[in-house]
Order: sequence, then structure tokens, then C-alpha cells
Amino acid sequence: DAGVIQSPRHEVTEMGQEVTLRCKPISGHDYLFWYRQTMMRGLELLIYFNNNVPIDDSGMPEDRFSAKMPNASFSTLKIQPSEPRDSAVYFCASSPPLGTGKNTEAFFGQGTRLTVV
Amino acid sequence: SQQGEEDPQALSIQEGENATMNCSYKTSINNLQWYRQNSGRGLVHLILIRSNEREKHSGRLRVTLDTSKKSSSLLITASRAADTASYFCATDASWETSYDKVIFGPGTSLSVIP
Repeated sequence: DAGVIQSPRHEVTEMGQEVTLRCKPISGHDYLFWYRQTMMRGLELLIYFNNNVPIDDSGMPEDRFSAKMPNASFSTLKIQPSEPRDSAVYFCASSPPLGTGKNTEAFFGQGTRLTVV
Repeated sequence: SQQGEEDPQALSIQEGENATMNCSYKTSINNLQWYRQNSGRGLVHLILIRSNEREKHSGRLRVTLDTSKKSSSLLITASRAADTASYFCATDASWETSYDKVIFGPGTSLSVIP
């Protein structure tokens, strides 16, 4: 497996534009996480899905942020409209089913570096 | 909120020395994980220790967990320049309304000087 695949790797956009980040989790993983990383706030969990269903979106900063997972192999994180303070690295991660051991090792993608100017 | 806090924030050592990083957390956990992040890359899982375990080894890594003190330590022995990275602890808990969700601490930045 190629691991978690995120696209694009880099995105530069103007304030007010819509931005869509994409993620393909590892096949067979039923948890998918979206994180945002900044120098000031570190790694923040934005939202996570289990079996394509959003479980907890309490980390989504504002209504401008939305995430979907239409099927087990694809998720998107959308920011509309984007603002300069949204500039960060956005990571997608996936985890295998918990099983009895409650192993929640997460496999991270390479991230999307978003710059909003 | 549930979160691990690593210390020190930054650590600089000579190659060959041991590096120790600590993590403290606030509430009960199912397990604790350590991750490494090289500059500009995603996080890579290093080791997971369950709440009923006290110590775990993986190569040059040694992790301890003290649930009574709500703390964990990561020891890297015989460090190498390639160990230069940021190290994060991550905790998870089954909350009433959530499945296991993993929360990361702010990280320790380790520099290993050749």
C-alpha cells in the first residue's frame, strides 16, 4: 500500500477563495482523521470519521470548514471562504479497526501546506 | 481537554548520547503513543504502550508509562544525527460520546549534533 495520500502537497490561494484538500486513506482502515499543524497551536484534531461517518467535529474552527467522506477511500476538507489565518499544514491520517487491543496507531499522509495570501 | 504535554520543548545533544523526553497527561487513557516528525514531513508512529504496560522497547527506543503519575518518557539511546526531529506523545481515551480520538502534545524538538 502507498500509505495515506494527500493532495495537493502545496496550495497557495487568495483570501476568499475556496480550498479543497483531498485524502485517500490506507485501504482497510476505518478511521480517518484531519489535523491542522501550526507553530502557534501545534497539532490540532479537526474532525474524525469512523466507517465514513463523522464522529467528532468539535475541532473544526468555524463554519467555513467542512469535511466529507463519501466513501471508504476518499475524504475532503473544504475551507470556504479561506482566510490568511487558515495558513497551516493540514494532515490526514488513518487507523485500522480497533479490534480488541484498541490499537489506534495512526498513519499520516505527507500533509498539504496551505498558504492563504 | 485531554492532552499530552512534552518536556523539554527543545533538546540538543551530541551524537552518541542518550536523549530523554517526557510527557504528562491529564486524564485516564487507554494507551499512549510516541510519534516522530522530520522537518516538512508527516508524523511517523514509533511505539504504542497500553495503560496496563509499564515499559516497552523497540530497537534504541525505550518507553515507560507511569499511570499513577500520568506520565511517560521516551528514551533514545546512542543517538544519531538522523534522530534529529520533533517527537510527540499522543493520548487517547474512550469518552462517553466519542470513540478513541488521538490528541497530540506540542512536541519536543530534538537536535543531535554530529
